[in-house]
Order: sequence, then structure tokens, then C-alpha cells
Amino acid sequence: DAKTTQPPSMDCAEGRAANLPCNHSTISGNEYVYWYRQIHSQGPQYIIHGLKNNETNEMASLIITEDRKSSTLILPHATLRDTAVYYCIVRVALGNFNKFYFGSGTKLNVKP
Amino acid sequence: GAGVSQSPSNKVTEKGKDVELRCDPISGHTALYWYRQSLGQGLEFLIYFQGNSAPDKSGLPSDRFSAERTGGSVSTLTIQRTQQEDSAVYLCASSSRPSGRETQYFGPGTRLLVL
Repeated sequence: DAKTTQPPSMDCAEGRAANLPCNHSTISGNEYVYWYRQIHSQGPQYIIHGLKNNETNEMASLIITEDRKSSTLILPHATLRDTAVYYCIVRVALGNFNKFYFGSGTKLNVKP
Repeated sequence: GAGVSQSPSNKVTEKGKDVELRCDPISGHTALYWYRQSLGQGLEFLIYFQGNSAPDKSGLPSDRFSAERTGGSVSTLTIQRTQQEDSAVYLCASSSRPSGRETQYFGPGTRLLVL
């Protein structure tokens, strides 16, 4: 029941912007888009999330299309430490809890 | 402050044995989630606890899996009669706000290997 589709891997040159795409064409109006990343052998780390509007924080920017069927995570100046698997997630509200649907993720390789 | 901690970090067991995995959430977090991550795969939801409410067990793969959360804090995931397909990383996450702008904080995981 995957709700997101991501490319399995991407390369990015160090210092350049990394743009990671995600398709979530079946997303509903009250479902949020989240991004987490997982560095090898560690637990996932929260990056950013949004509903309709674009969001920016100290780590990244999130661009959500007007129809909300896709989004892009932007790391403005990728470093070698940004090499990780990046998960695009749809958060679905089910009664009194939120279920996070993780996809297969994109392995970002930042190269010197 | 301290993040989510899990123990043991690694567990090797023989097929058929029972195992217990522990999760200590961030202090004050009322919501606690367990996930399973098989090699090279995304995260699979297992179970959710919120305060004193009955847990959502909809993700547990079989009746060999159970979990409890005592005192609204520490949680234990138990796998009975382990099978080789149970080998995976078991991740715990906690959050303070189960609705609205919820952010889950993950522990480092327990790597389970069933021989």
C-alpha cells in the first residue's frame, strides 16, 4: 500500500543543490507530506514536513505542487554528510493517531 | 536532552526462541511507535501506543508479535518462537503530539538476527 514513489538513487556533486522528487498522486486533502533521512545504521531523522505551502527550515526546503500530487525536497548545498537514504512519507490521520507511510526511499550519493 | 534509546542494539537468537526488545521514549512523549525495517527496505508499521488508550495493533504481522507499554513510558516488543524471516531492524519512535504538527523521533534500532 505504498503511497509514495521515489527514484531508487540519485547522485549529487558536493556543494550543489540536491533535488529529490516524490510522487504521491493519491494524497488526500488533510494528509501531510514528511521527509526523513536515514544515514547508514542509524534511525531515521526528521527533515521537514508540509501540507500545501512550501516550507523551509535550516536543513532543507520542501516544494509541494499546487495539486499536491508531487513534491521536491531541496538540500541547497549538499555535503558528503548528506549521503543517506531519503524517505518521502505521507501521514494519514486515522482516528486518534497518525500513520506514517514510508516508501522505499532514494539513496542520495553526494560525491566530492 | 536524551533521545529515544533502544536495547539491545544487536540481538542474535536461534529459531524458535523468544526475544524482547526495549524502547525508552523521550521523556514526556505520549505517543510511541514500533516499526520493522528489513534489509534495504522502507519502514513497516507494527504498533502504536498513545497515552492510556488501547494500542493500535493493526500492523503486527502475526500473533507471535506483541507489545506493551508500562506506565505510559517504556515499551517492550516481544517476538515469540522467532523465525528467520523475523530478522530485521526494529525501530522505535516517539512523539509528543499525535495530531497536528507531529514529528516522530526515532531510536537507533535493534538489529535482530534469527539463525
